[in-house]
Amino acid sequence: NAGVTQTPKFQVLKTGQSMTLQCAQDMNHNSMYWYRQDPGMGLRLIYYSASEGTTDKGEVPNGYNVSRLNKREFSLRLESAAPSQTSVYFCASSVTPGRDSYGYTFGSGTRLTVV
Amino acid sequence: AQSVTQLDSQVPVFEEAPVELRCNYSSSVSVYLFWYVQYPNQGLQLLLKYLSGSTLVESINGFEAEFNKSQTSFHLRKPSVHISDTAEYFCAVSDINTGFQKLVFGTGTRLLVSP
Repeated sequence: NAGVTQTPKFQVLKTGQSMTLQCAQDMNHNSMYWYRQDPGMGLRLIYYSASEGTTDKGEVPNGYNVSRLNKREFSLRLESAAPSQTSVYFCASSVTPGRDSYGYTFGSGTRLTVV
Repeated sequence: AQSVTQLDSQVPVFEEAPVELRCNYSSSVSVYLFWYVQYPNQGLQLLLKYLSGSTLVESINGFEAEFNKSQTSFHLRKPSVHISDTAEYFCAVSDINTGFQKLVFGTGTRLLVSP
């Protein structure tokens, strides 16, 4: 099925542990994004990759790192997890802007709990 | 920087009643506007978008939104809601002149439809 695939779907970490959230898209999209969703705060951009080989910080990058492994894959790493990183994480992708193609495709999310 | 305001965090409504979910954005520059819907435990799906042309845009399931440049608004409406419309709705905006798509999301409005 075409789309954005995120793994894992659920994860519980202890404070201080590290982990990598994986994201892959098979739509040949150029840009990829990582958001976190918290109650009452909507979606906040953590990092994005406008094109293969580039990454940039978003609104809330502290405590995270990313890797754009290739055009398909964009991973998010938590080096030392903290309870404040308990959230639902969404990966999204988009094409280079073209009138009818504008808009993101989202993955189904990773629910992360840090205890 | 762009910002999006969704003043209503939750909107309760009875089935078959009309509903309006409000969205205002900050920028006076040319923008693209979007509404996304998130059903429980799922990712976000594009509901409708305004890129140019007619200021009234419609979705396939009966929602519509009107772009009002003077009021910097993009309110979402439906004349008669169904139980299945219960979801969280996010308004998003993107500047036209960025070289790639970078959406800024509002904090979301939870639509609760009851019998």
